[in-house]
Amino acid sequence: NAGVTQTPKFQVLKTGQSMTLQCAQDMNHEYMSWYRQDPGMGLRLIHYSVGAGITDQGEVPNGYNVSRSTTEDFPLRLLSAAPSQTSVYFCASSYRTGEQFFGPGTRLTVL
Amino acid sequence: QQQVKQSPQSLIVQKGGISIINCAYENTAFDYFPWYQQFPGKGPALLIAIRPDVSEKKEGRFTISFNKSAKQFSLHIMDSQPGDSATYFCAASHNNDMRFGAGTRLTVKP
Repeated sequence: NAGVTQTPKFQVLKTGQSMTLQCAQDMNHEYMSWYRQDPGMGLRLIHYSVGAGITDQGEVPNGYNVSRSTTEDFPLRLLSAAPSQTSVYFCASSYRTGEQFFGPGTRLTVL
Repeated sequence: QQQVKQSPQSLIVQKGGISIINCAYENTAFDYFPWYQQFPGKGPALLIAIRPDVSEKKEGRFTISFNKSAKQFSLHIMDSQPGDSATYFCAASHNNDMRFGAGTRLTVKP
Protein backbone atom coordinates (compact mmCIF):
# COMPACT_ATOMS: atom_id res chain seq x y z
CA ASN A 1 0.00 0.00 0.00
CA ALA A 2 1.21 3.50 -0.85
CA GLY A 3 -0.77 5.04 2.03
CA VAL A 4 -1.52 8.74 1.54
CA THR A 5 0.14 10.37 -1.44
CA GLN A 6 0.29 14.07 -2.28
CA THR A 7 1.38 15.89 -5.40
CA PRO A 8 3.18 18.10 -6.07
CA LYS A 9 5.87 18.17 -3.35
CA PHE A 10 6.74 21.81 -4.05
CA GLN A 11 4.91 24.58 -5.89
CA VAL A 12 5.49 28.28 -6.47
CA LEU A 13 2.55 30.41 -7.58
CA LYS A 14 2.02 34.04 -8.38
CA THR A 15 -0.72 35.97 -6.61
CA GLY A 16 -4.05 35.34 -8.34
CA GLN A 17 -3.10 32.04 -9.95
CA SER A 18 -5.15 28.93 -9.32
CA MET A 19 -4.03 25.40 -8.69
CA THR A 20 -5.12 22.05 -7.31
CA LEU A 21 -3.24 20.07 -4.69
CA GLN A 22 -3.80 16.37 -5.20
CA CYS A 23 -4.33 13.80 -2.45
CA ALA A 24 -5.02 10.10 -2.79
CA GLN A 25 -5.23 7.19 -0.37
CA ASP A 26 -5.42 3.45 -0.99
CA MET A 27 -6.56 2.31 2.46
CA ASN A 28 -10.31 2.61 1.76
CA HIS A 29 -10.61 5.22 4.50
CA GLU A 30 -13.92 7.02 4.80
CA TYR A 31 -12.50 10.18 6.28
CA MET A 32 -10.09 12.56 4.55
CA SER A 33 -8.93 16.01 5.52
CA TRP A 34 -6.67 18.88 4.56
CA TYR A 35 -4.51 20.82 6.99
CA ARG A 36 -2.12 23.70 6.65
CA GLN A 37 0.95 23.97 8.86
CA ASP A 38 2.46 27.33 9.67
CA PRO A 39 5.35 28.04 12.08
CA GLY A 40 4.18 28.37 15.67
CA MET A 41 0.58 27.49 14.82
CA GLY A 42 0.53 23.73 14.59
CA LEU A 43 -1.79 22.21 12.00
CA ARG A 44 -5.10 23.85 11.21
CA LEU A 45 -7.97 21.99 9.59
CA ILE A 46 -9.08 23.50 6.26
CA HIS A 47 -11.76 21.09 4.98
CA TYR A 48 -12.70 17.51 5.65
CA SER A 49 -14.86 14.79 4.16
CA VAL A 50 -16.57 11.86 5.89
CA GLY A 51 -17.25 10.05 2.63
CA ALA A 52 -17.67 10.43 -1.13
CA GLY A 53 -19.96 13.34 -1.92
CA ILE A 54 -19.77 14.80 1.60
CA THR A 55 -17.49 17.68 2.59
CA ASP A 56 -17.46 20.18 5.41
CA GLN A 57 -15.50 23.21 6.52
CA GLY A 58 -12.81 23.11 9.15
CA GLU A 59 -11.15 25.88 11.10
CA VAL A 60 -9.68 27.90 8.19
CA PRO A 61 -11.72 27.20 5.00
CA ASN A 62 -11.65 30.61 3.31
CA GLY A 63 -9.89 30.67 -0.05
CA TYR A 64 -10.04 26.89 -0.52
CA ASN A 65 -12.49 24.55 -2.24
CA VAL A 66 -12.75 20.77 -2.04
CA SER A 67 -14.81 18.00 -3.56
CA ARG A 68 -14.89 14.25 -2.96
CA SER A 69 -16.15 12.30 -5.96
CA THR A 70 -14.42 9.02 -5.01
CA THR A 71 -13.32 7.38 -1.77
CA GLU A 72 -9.69 7.54 -2.87
CA ASP A 73 -9.23 11.16 -3.93
CA PHE A 74 -9.66 14.49 -2.15
CA PRO A 75 -8.23 17.43 -4.12
CA LEU A 76 -7.80 20.90 -2.61
CA ARG A 77 -8.32 23.88 -4.93
CA LEU A 78 -6.96 27.37 -4.54
CA LEU A 79 -9.02 29.55 -6.86
CA SER A 80 -7.00 32.76 -6.54
CA ALA A 81 -3.80 32.30 -4.58
CA ALA A 82 -2.73 34.89 -2.03
CA PRO A 83 0.60 35.29 -0.18
CA SER A 84 -1.23 34.40 3.06
CA GLN A 85 -1.71 30.90 1.61
CA THR A 86 2.04 30.26 1.64
CA SER A 87 2.28 27.20 3.86
CA VAL A 88 2.89 23.48 4.02
CA TYR A 89 -0.26 21.51 3.22
CA PHE A 90 -0.94 18.05 4.57
CA CYS A 91 -3.63 15.62 3.56
CA ALA A 92 -4.73 12.91 6.00
CA SER A 93 -7.09 9.96 6.00
CA SER A 94 -8.60 7.64 8.58
CA TYR A 95 -11.49 5.37 9.33
CA ARG A 96 -14.50 7.18 10.82
CA THR A 97 -12.79 7.51 14.19
CA GLY A 98 -9.21 6.92 15.15
CA GLU A 99 -5.72 7.33 13.81
CA GLN A 100 -5.20 9.77 10.99
CA PHE A 101 -2.49 8.90 8.46
CA PHE A 102 -0.75 11.92 6.99
CA GLY A 103 0.78 12.36 3.56
CA PRO A 104 4.28 13.79 3.02
CA GLY A 105 3.04 17.35 2.44
CA THR A 106 3.10 19.99 -0.28
CA ARG A 107 5.19 23.10 0.29
CA LEU A 108 3.44 26.03 -1.41
CA THR A 109 4.89 29.50 -1.90
CA VAL A 110 2.73 32.32 -3.24
CA LEU A 111 4.67 35.33 -4.48
CA GLN B 1 -8.73 31.35 19.55
CA GLN B 2 -6.64 28.25 19.90
CA GLN B 3 -8.71 25.42 21.33
CA VAL B 4 -5.69 23.36 22.33
CA LYS B 5 -2.82 25.05 24.14
CA GLN B 6 0.54 23.28 24.24
CA SER B 7 3.65 23.97 26.29
CA PRO B 8 6.57 24.34 26.23
CA GLN B 9 7.39 25.58 22.71
CA SER B 10 10.81 23.96 22.92
CA LEU B 11 12.45 21.49 25.25
CA ILE B 12 16.03 20.33 25.66
CA VAL B 13 16.65 17.11 27.58
CA GLN B 14 19.73 15.03 28.24
CA LYS B 15 19.86 11.48 26.93
CA GLY B 16 18.19 9.19 29.44
CA GLY B 17 16.10 11.96 30.95
CA ILE B 18 12.32 12.41 31.03
CA SER B 19 10.62 14.71 28.53
CA ILE B 20 7.26 16.16 29.55
CA ILE B 21 4.94 18.09 27.24
CA ASN B 22 1.64 19.52 28.44
CA CYS B 23 -1.62 20.36 26.71
CA ALA B 24 -4.87 21.95 27.80
CA TYR B 25 -8.16 22.07 25.93
CA GLU B 26 -11.35 24.08 26.11
CA ASN B 27 -14.08 22.07 24.41
CA THR B 28 -15.52 19.37 26.68
CA ALA B 29 -16.98 17.63 23.61
CA PHE B 30 -13.50 16.45 22.57
CA ASP B 31 -13.35 12.67 22.90
CA TYR B 32 -10.07 11.62 21.31
CA PHE B 33 -6.65 12.93 22.29
CA PRO B 34 -3.70 11.86 20.11
CA TRP B 35 -0.06 12.83 20.15
CA TYR B 36 1.80 13.12 16.86
CA GLN B 37 5.54 13.08 16.17
CA GLN B 38 6.94 14.95 13.20
CA PHE B 39 10.46 14.84 11.77
CA PRO B 40 11.71 17.63 9.47
CA GLY B 41 10.31 17.35 5.96
CA LYS B 42 7.85 14.61 6.91
CA GLY B 43 4.19 14.43 7.75
CA PRO B 44 3.08 13.90 11.36
CA ALA B 45 2.82 10.30 12.53
CA LEU B 46 0.63 9.04 15.36
CA LEU B 47 2.65 8.26 18.49
CA ILE B 48 0.00 7.40 21.08
CA ALA B 49 -3.61 8.35 21.74
CA ILE B 50 -6.11 8.24 24.60
CA ARG B 51 -9.86 8.51 25.06
CA PRO B 52 -11.32 10.28 28.12
CA ASP B 53 -12.55 7.12 29.83
CA VAL B 54 -9.02 6.32 31.07
CA SER B 55 -6.55 8.47 33.01
CA GLU B 56 -3.32 6.98 31.69
CA LYS B 57 -2.04 5.01 28.72
CA LYS B 58 1.45 3.63 28.31
CA GLU B 59 3.15 2.31 25.19
CA GLY B 60 6.81 1.49 25.66
CA ARG B 61 8.65 4.64 26.73
CA PHE B 62 5.66 6.89 25.95
CA THR B 63 2.87 7.63 28.46
CA ILE B 64 -0.18 9.87 28.20
CA SER B 65 -1.62 11.20 31.45
CA PHE B 66 -5.16 12.55 31.17
CA ASN B 67 -7.03 14.74 33.67
CA LYS B 68 -10.61 15.16 32.52
CA SER B 69 -11.70 17.51 35.30
CA ALA B 70 -8.76 19.86 34.64
CA LYS B 71 -9.10 19.47 30.84
CA GLN B 72 -5.40 18.72 30.60
CA PHE B 73 -3.27 15.93 29.22
CA SER B 74 0.43 15.37 28.95
CA LEU B 75 3.01 13.24 27.17
CA HIS B 76 5.89 11.72 29.12
CA ILE B 77 8.86 10.26 27.27
CA MET B 78 10.96 8.11 29.56
CA ASP B 79 14.65 7.40 28.91
CA SER B 80 14.69 10.02 26.14
CA GLN B 81 17.00 9.23 23.22
CA PRO B 82 18.60 11.44 20.54
CA GLY B 83 16.35 9.70 18.00
CA ASP B 84 13.35 11.16 19.84
CA SER B 85 14.43 14.65 18.72
CA ALA B 86 11.44 15.89 16.72
CA THR B 87 8.43 18.16 16.97
CA TYR B 88 5.52 16.81 18.99
CA PHE B 89 1.92 17.90 18.57
CA CYS B 90 -0.97 17.19 20.87
CA ALA B 91 -4.47 17.23 19.40
CA ALA B 92 -8.07 16.92 20.46
CA SER B 93 -10.91 15.71 18.30
CA HIS B 94 -14.68 15.35 18.18
CA ASN B 95 -16.50 13.93 15.15
CA ASN B 96 -13.30 14.09 13.10
CA ASP B 97 -12.89 17.83 13.71
CA MET B 98 -9.33 17.71 15.03
CA ARG B 99 -7.61 20.69 16.62
CA PHE B 100 -3.86 20.71 17.15
CA GLY B 101 -1.58 22.39 19.64
CA ALA B 102 1.18 24.65 18.31
CA GLY B 103 3.87 22.01 18.77
CA THR B 104 6.92 21.38 20.96
CA ARG B 105 10.37 21.04 19.46
CA LEU B 106 12.21 18.43 21.51
CA THR B 107 15.99 18.14 21.40
CA VAL B 108 17.63 15.24 23.21
CA LYS B 109 21.33 15.85 23.76
CA PRO B 110 23.65 12.82 23.73
